[in-house]
Amino acid sequence: GQNIDQPTEMTATEGAIVQINCTYQTSGFNGLFWYQQHAGEAPTFLSYNVLDGLEEKGRFSSFLSRSKGYSYLLLKELQMKDSASYLCAVKDSNYQLIWGAGTKLIIKP
Amino acid sequence: GAVVSQHPSWVICKSGTSVKIECRSLDFQATTMFWYRQFPKQSLMLMATSNEGSKATYEQGVEKDKFLINHASLTLSTLTVTSAHPEDSSFYICSASEGASGNQPQHFGDGTRLSIL
Repeated sequence: GQNIDQPTEMTATEGAIVQINCTYQTSGFNGLFWYQQHAGEAPTFLSYNVLDGLEEKGRFSSFLSRSKGYSYLLLKELQMKDSASYLCAVKDSNYQLIWGAGTKLIIKP
Repeated sequence: GAVVSQHPSWVICKSGTSVKIECRSLDFQATTMFWYRQFPKQSLMLMATSNEGSKATYEQGVEKDKFLINHASLTLSTLTVTSAHPEDSSFYICSASEGASGNQPQHFGDGTRLSIL
């Protein structure tokens, strides 16, 4: 079966750095996406990785290792507004998006 | 960037009512649109994939006669919840992508919060 694992919940301090991990087992791979979802709102697109390595976008970076079936989202200089759920999703060989259950990130002052 | 508009944002209605939700891609053509449902504190659940000009593909366990999907144009898909009951109360979210290729993200509408009394 297809499976995406990410931690259920993480806590971090304002101004710090946090890394949210995602491991996947899918039938084929056509890219990995990270989304942010604030409570009661729809998800918003953060990043896309299809080749191994690190993609940096401001305070957010996303890393991919296809051989390990592993990705992480790195958030730097955390702000209170970063409190949200972070969803990892993988496109399989049929270009269908497989979603992880999301990681709820709690930022404390 | 790509914008998806979803309407209405909130619906409160009596049991037995049918509710129509619209999803529009405002600045791009969406060959494929997706309909999700999300219960409180749970993950996104894909209900169906909507392809312009053809029948929607429903996920296992989703009743196609209960959740009617129409994707009549490249910029509009609608979801109708027929004869809604309290157990259908949920957050319904649509998304669209500009193409099926790997690097095209899904862009989400703001969601519709449906409450059936």
